Amino acid sequence: DAKTTQPNSMESNEEEPVHLPCNHSTISGTDYIHWYRQLPSQGPEYVIHGLTSNVNNRMASLAIAEDRKSSTLILHRATLRDAAVYYCILLHGNKLVFGAGTILRVKS
Amino acid sequence: NAGVTQTPKFQVLKTGQSMTLQCAQDMNHNSMYWYRQDPGMGLRLIYYSASEGTTDKGEVPNGYNVSRLNKREFSLRLESAAPSQTSVYFCASQAFFRTGLYEQYFGPGTRLTVT
Repeated sequence: DAKTTQPNSMESNEEEPVHLPCNHSTISGTDYIHWYRQLPSQGPEYVIHGLTSNVNNRMASLAIAEDRKSSTLILHRATLRDAAVYYCILLHGNKLVFGAGTILRVKS
Repeated sequence: NAGVTQTPKFQVLKTGQSMTLQCAQDMNHNSMYWYRQDPGMGLRLIYYSASEGTTDKGEVPNGYNVSRLNKREFSLRLESAAPSQTSVYFCASQAFFRTGLYEQYFGPGTRLTVT
């Protein structure tokens, strides 16, 4: 399975944008990039996914580099409820392979 | 819709005891999954079932068995619990869309302690 690399932790101020990076230099042409997040004491939840083009939904935006070797999850205005572990996952086949993710801390 | 439900929420076992974790989904999804999450780590896949009647091993299947009872239910059994199986167990079901989205819906988890 192709691997992803994320920072262990990041910190943000409330109401400010947050850019969560992910490197995936071994990505293949058919791998979709998925992001999930896990709030404290809960199961993970889907955030967003993309293949080549940038994507927006009600939760976040996903910016994908032109060579697809990296991507960035953008939370436009972080709230305290966005404090969670964010996982960047390359999907090839039908299995998600979770890494350790990035712990996002949001300060009020 | 209840989504994905898991029982029990908490369980304490003694070494060597057996138990079954139950999972059910009401979203008519074909695929279901069992993961474990140890402290400070991401989720690891134990077993999955791509469709009713099929099961396959994931990354860490040793010490576990599964049963896909029907389309709704997927159970995980520990035959002889060991302290190394102390973990939080998550069940998930998956929806697939032609846009490449494999959205997995997770249950609330079962916190298992083996002493």
